[in-house]
Amino acid sequence: DAMVIQNPRYQVTQFGKPVTLSCSQTLNHNVMYWYQQKSSQAPKLLFHYYDKDFNNEADTPDNFQSRRPNTSFCFLDIRSPGLGDAAMYLCATGQGHSYEQYFGPGTRLTVT
Amino acid sequence: SQKIEQNSEALNIQEGKTATLTCNYTNYSPAYLQWYRQDPGRGPVFLLLIRENEKEKRKERLKVTFDTTLKQSLFHITASQPADSATYLCALDNYGQNFVFGPGTRLSVLP
Repeated sequence: DAMVIQNPRYQVTQFGKPVTLSCSQTLNHNVMYWYQQKSSQAPKLLFHYYDKDFNNEADTPDNFQSRRPNTSFCFLDIRSPGLGDAAMYLCATGQGHSYEQYFGPGTRLTVT
Repeated sequence: SQKIEQNSEALNIQEGKTATLTCNYTNYSPAYLQWYRQDPGRGPVFLLLIRENEKEKRKERLKVTFDTTLKQSLFHITASQPADSATYLCALDNYGQNFVFGPGTRLSVLP
């Protein structure tokens, strides 16, 4: 089945230690999104790629970076995680802007 | 700044009744409005999309309306079942600009 895969499902990192979360898709969608979701809050869009074009949300901290080496893969890099970065990180894909989004299961990040 | 509100944080209804969830927004002119379902610990799942020039959309037991004058969308689940219990999120989109989710409503359908 075509799907969005996120690895790992659970990630523990230390305060200030760089961490990378990965997302892959078999849907061949043009757009890949990264969201941060904290407990009992709505998913918050961090950035997205439309093909190779990177689109950063205005309020996304510089601590968060992303890479999309090809259509199928997208990575979220957190350069110096703080305690406030502990959250669920969701990857999603879409055929284009204003289409429905397909979400992966998420990676739960814990910062110790 | 733009603001999105979804009726109450939690809504309890009896099985078989119609659940009505509300999404209100200000300082935004979305071209599209989407509804998603999210279960605990999982990613959201797309349900319905409605465009600004559409008044109503239906899919099986689901119906969504979109009133750009009132700046409101209503999401209805008819003949609700306990399996419909989840958090429902509305999301606004303006051709890929300012895509934003509402805070969500946690629906509980009681048997």
